[in-house]
Amino acid sequence: GQSLEQPSEVTAVEGAIVQINCTYQTSGFYGLSWYQQHDGGAPTFLSYNALDGLEETGRFSSFLSRSDSYGYLLLQELQMKDSASYFCAVRDYGGATNKLIFGTGTLLAVQP
Amino acid sequence: EPEVTQTPSHQVTQMGQEVILRCVPISNHLYFYWYRQILGQKVEFLVSFYNNEISEKSEIFDDQFSVERPDGSNFTLKIRSTKLEDSAMYFCASDGSHQREGQDTQYFGPGTRLTVL
Repeated sequence: GQSLEQPSEVTAVEGAIVQINCTYQTSGFYGLSWYQQHDGGAPTFLSYNALDGLEETGRFSSFLSRSDSYGYLLLQELQMKDSASYFCAVRDYGGATNKLIFGTGTLLAVQP
Repeated sequence: EPEVTQTPSHQVTQMGQEVILRCVPISNHLYFYWYRQILGQKVEFLVSFYNNEISEKSEIFDDQFSVERPDGSNFTLKIRSTKLEDSAMYFCASDGSHQREGQDTQYFGPGTRLTVL
């Protein structure tokens, strides 16, 4: 089967930097995505890594190490609005489907 | 920017009743999905739909569930006889036929919160 593990909760203060880790076990791997979900809202796409290394998009960066089956999302200059759940996800291109398989999710609480 | 829409935003129903959740995917997308999220848990895949037929379904998607694309724009999820454990957020999603290099975006609707009493 396929599984993606994340810490369940992370707490940080405004202005700080926080790293959310994701380790995965998948049969076939094309890349790792990150989604943000505010309470009661839809998952929204943040970033995607197909190759090893760091991808930067503003305050958010995402890292992938394919050899370690590991990635992380780095959030800098934290703001209160960053309080949300963050999910790593992989695509399952097996068969005729491109479904997303989500990680267990990390609830980020940003404190003043 | 185009978006996926879903109706209703909230649905309360009695156990054993039928519900239909509606979605309008992004118009030029070809792949459609339903996902479910029980409160406090991760998002789980239910079913994918392509070329007017189901391409994959999960173990959750049993005979009580069905999907339809009745008119080329709407995409519906029907639960024939709801159970208490069907209470969850249901998200519709869609994506295009081509993934641009470096992109892997699936677009989610705002969800329908289903409460089964």
